[in-house]
Amino acid sequence: DGGITQSPKYLFRKEGQNVTLSCEQNLNHDAMYWYRQDPGQGLRLIYYSQIVNDFQKGDIAEGYSVSREKKESFPLTVTSAQKNPTAFYLCASSPKKAGAFTGELFFGEGSRLTVL
Amino acid sequence: AQSVSQHNHHVILSEAASLELGCNYSYGGTVNLFWYVQYPGQHLQLLLKYFSGDPLVKGIKGFEAEFIKSKFSFNLRKPSVQWSDTAEYFCAVIPGGYQKVTFGTGTKLQVIP
Repeated sequence: DGGITQSPKYLFRKEGQNVTLSCEQNLNHDAMYWYRQDPGQGLRLIYYSQIVNDFQKGDIAEGYSVSREKKESFPLTVTSAQKNPTAFYLCASSPKKAGAFTGELFFGEGSRLTVL
Repeated sequence: AQSVSQHNHHVILSEAASLELGCNYSYGGTVNLFWYVQYPGQHLQLLLKYFSGDPLVKGIKGFEAEFIKSKFSFNLRKPSVQWSDTAEYFCAVIPGGYQKVTFGTGTKLQVIP
């Protein structure tokens, strides 16, 4: 089945540790996104990438890093510099239509990170 | 910076009641607009979208939304809600020519049987 696969689904981390969340898509979409979801705050954009080897900061990029070495993969690293990392993280991808990005997002099931 | 406002944070309705959820955005140019839904325990999925053309768009499960450019609004409606519509609803906007998709804070809808 085509879709977005995020792993792990649940992750526990001690303070001071970095952790990497995986996101893989087989939809052949060019753009990929990482959002953070917190209760009452909606989805806030962390990073996004339109093309391999290129990515842009979103609204809350501090304490996070990403890479886009392959079209299918867009891993997110939550570093120890992120002050409040406990959250639900969502990865999404988006296709082009007539050469332009539409903004229509296809989401994975999410990864819930808890910092102990 | 673009922003999206959803005024209703938590809505409680009885089955068969009509629903309208507000969404306003701040960008003045061409936009693509979306409503997404997150059912309990499930991932976010697209409910409906507006790119251009008829400002009244229909989505899945009987939902519709109306784009009113002069009011920068894209309100979601459903004439008669069901218990299965209990979910969280998110409005999202992307300005034309950009790649950054901005979401509202979401509205939790609870439908009472």
